[in-house]
Amino acid sequence: AAGVIQSPRHLIKEKRETATLKCYPIPRHDTVYWYQQGPGQDPQFLISFYEKMQSDKGSIPDRFSAQQFSDYHSELNMSSLELGDSALYFCASSLGMRNEQFFGPGTRLTVL
Amino acid sequence: AQSVTQLDSQVPVFEEAPVELRCNYSSSVSVYLFWYVQYPNQGLQLLLKYLSGSTLVESINGFEAEFNKSQTSFHLRKPSVHISDTAEYFCAVSRTGGGADGLTFGKGTHLIIQP
Repeated sequence: AAGVIQSPRHLIKEKRETATLKCYPIPRHDTVYWYQQGPGQDPQFLISFYEKMQSDKGSIPDRFSAQQFSDYHSELNMSSLELGDSALYFCASSLGMRNEQFFGPGTRLTVL
Repeated sequence: AQSVTQLDSQVPVFEEAPVELRCNYSSSVSVYLFWYVQYPNQGLQLLLKYLSGSTLVESINGFEAEFNKSQTSFHLRKPSVHISDTAEYFCAVSRTGGGADGLTFGKGTHLIIQP
């Protein structure tokens, strides 16, 4: 079965640079969620979209923005990167809101 | 707001022994409850979930969890563990009446299976 696809899988950036992470949900899933998992930490919810509209907002820094496109894929844009942004970023998708979230493999971002 | 407490950061157990991973939650509204498993360098996989109905839920690989509303708990159990169960286990909650709410996770419990 098709799963959530995230790209790139690994990304290395310098401080103050920008990064864009992409998420392709499972076909027909209309809801996307973004999470950040620091080293040895639990995943922290950042933001979610349903039918291309922002639905819920968690602890997403102002330096980050995200959107969901007409084909339901989503992008997380991160600017003025800081060392503390180094983490595993997960995308999850679901069919409708309040349904089971299926997680992608994650993008490991390293900020040097 | 919701919060999840996993009381044990690490649980070592011998192979074929039973195990219980504890999870307590706090919320002012009704919640759904989940257990996710994360193997090293991999994403999160849903192990089991409680949405409504029977308070005892089971997974296909022998895990079960029981929702106890009075104790606000959702402990995970397995009667006999295998080496392959070594992983990080996260308990999570989300509101029942919200929109595309993000999950609130506990800090995780590292299950270590000893041969």
